[in-house]
Amino acid sequence: QKEVEQNSGPLSVPEGAIASLNCTYSDRGSQSFFWYRQYSGKSPELIMFIYSNGDKEDGRFTAQLNKASQYVSLLIRDSQPSDSATYLCLEGSGNTGKLIFGQGTTLQVKP
Amino acid sequence: GAVVSQHPSWVICKSGTSVKIECRSLDFQATTMFWYRQFPKQSLMLMATSNEGSKATYEQGVEKDKFLINHASLTLSTLTVTSAHPEDSSFYICSANQYTVPDSYEQYFGPGTRLTVT
Repeated sequence: QKEVEQNSGPLSVPEGAIASLNCTYSDRGSQSFFWYRQYSGKSPELIMFIYSNGDKEDGRFTAQLNKASQYVSLLIRDSQPSDSATYLCLEGSGNTGKLIFGQGTTLQVKP
Repeated sequence: GAVVSQHPSWVICKSGTSVKIECRSLDFQATTMFWYRQFPKQSLMLMATSNEGSKATYEQGVEKDKFLINHASLTLSTLTVTSAHPEDSSFYICSANQYTVPDSYEQYFGPGTRLTVT
């Protein structure tokens, strides 16, 4: 049974700081990972996906994948109050296309 | 990114009636769509995987006769909640995979449908 684990938080950071969100996964053979953001009462929106070891940057967001240690992280630079949301680390399940959900981490960015 | 729409965005129905929710991929073809349900302060729960032209695959514990899924075309899947009861009140979200290259995809979520059964 594949599992993805995240600290539910809340993670609280001051405005302008770097927010670091982490998740670990159980299946060493997993290939694809996705970070989604979900605001209260809304559906998730895709922030980034990452398939390869190392870092992937997109604007203020950097996703990091370390397959040897089986963890994925998301760094948010210059955090803004509008970044306050639940961040979901999802693992793609191969051919089925299903996503394996972690519990999500609640981020609070305080002005 | 790709766009997935849902209709209606919210619906109120009486207990015992049926409600149909539509999910459309607007600018791409989706051979696979997914239906989720989310209760307040909980994570999304996958209900079923919908494949175009074939029967849906339901997750354990989801009643297939109560939640009817039809994936009639590459851009449309529907979820019908039959004989709805108040405990079916929830936020229903669909998603669709857009395959960029073989074995590589991005999953996009619709805006969700809030169902209230009175």
